[in-house]
Amino acid sequence: DGGITQSPKYLFRKEGQNVTLSCEQNLNHDAMYWYRQDPGQGLRLIYYSQIVNDFQKGDIAEGYSVSREKKESFPLTVTSAQKNPTAFYLCASSPRTEMNTEAFFGQGTRLTVV
Amino acid sequence: AQTVTQSQPEMSVQEAETVTLSCTYDTSESDYYLFWYKQPPSRQMILVIRQEAYKQQNATENRFSVNFQKAAKSFSLKISDSQLGDAAMYFCAYRRNRGAQKLVFGQGTRLTINP
Repeated sequence: DGGITQSPKYLFRKEGQNVTLSCEQNLNHDAMYWYRQDPGQGLRLIYYSQIVNDFQKGDIAEGYSVSREKKESFPLTVTSAQKNPTAFYLCASSPRTEMNTEAFFGQGTRLTVV
Repeated sequence: AQTVTQSQPEMSVQEAETVTLSCTYDTSESDYYLFWYKQPPSRQMILVIRQEAYKQQNATENRFSVNFQKAAKSFSLKISDSQLGDAAMYFCAYRRNRGAQKLVFGQGTRLTINP
């Protein structure tokens, strides 16, 4: 089955630690995105990538880092510099062609700082 | 920068009635897509409907339709014959068609269906 997979579903982090959230897709999509969702604030863009080995900062990139070494994978690292990392994180992918721009989403990762 | 605004944090409707969710956006582009996504309690994002900016005809998907006013930069979602399963967060989203194709979301509207 084609789709986009995020893991883990739940993640706990101690203060001062870096953690990496996984996002893998087998849809052959060029573009991938990371969003943060807080209550009442909708989805805010952290980073996005339109092609392998290239990515751009979104609106709230501070304290986060990404890599795009393979088309299928776009991991997000939440660093210790992120002051309030507890949130729900969503990964998405979409074709880059103009004819079909629907984005497909993973099921999300709930990150909690303990 | 493109922005998307949903001015209704919460809406409620009686089952079988019609409800309209509002969305406005700001862009200097002429070629773009607009979307409505639904997020039920499972938190899985589901595409409800999309509109291509260069098409004047409003998109329709079964009970869901949009009112796209390009000059006013308005993109409302109408849900007809509301069903209990329509209860969810609804997000309006924008994506330009050229250059940096980032997908920008509004703040969301929580829709409650009253039986």
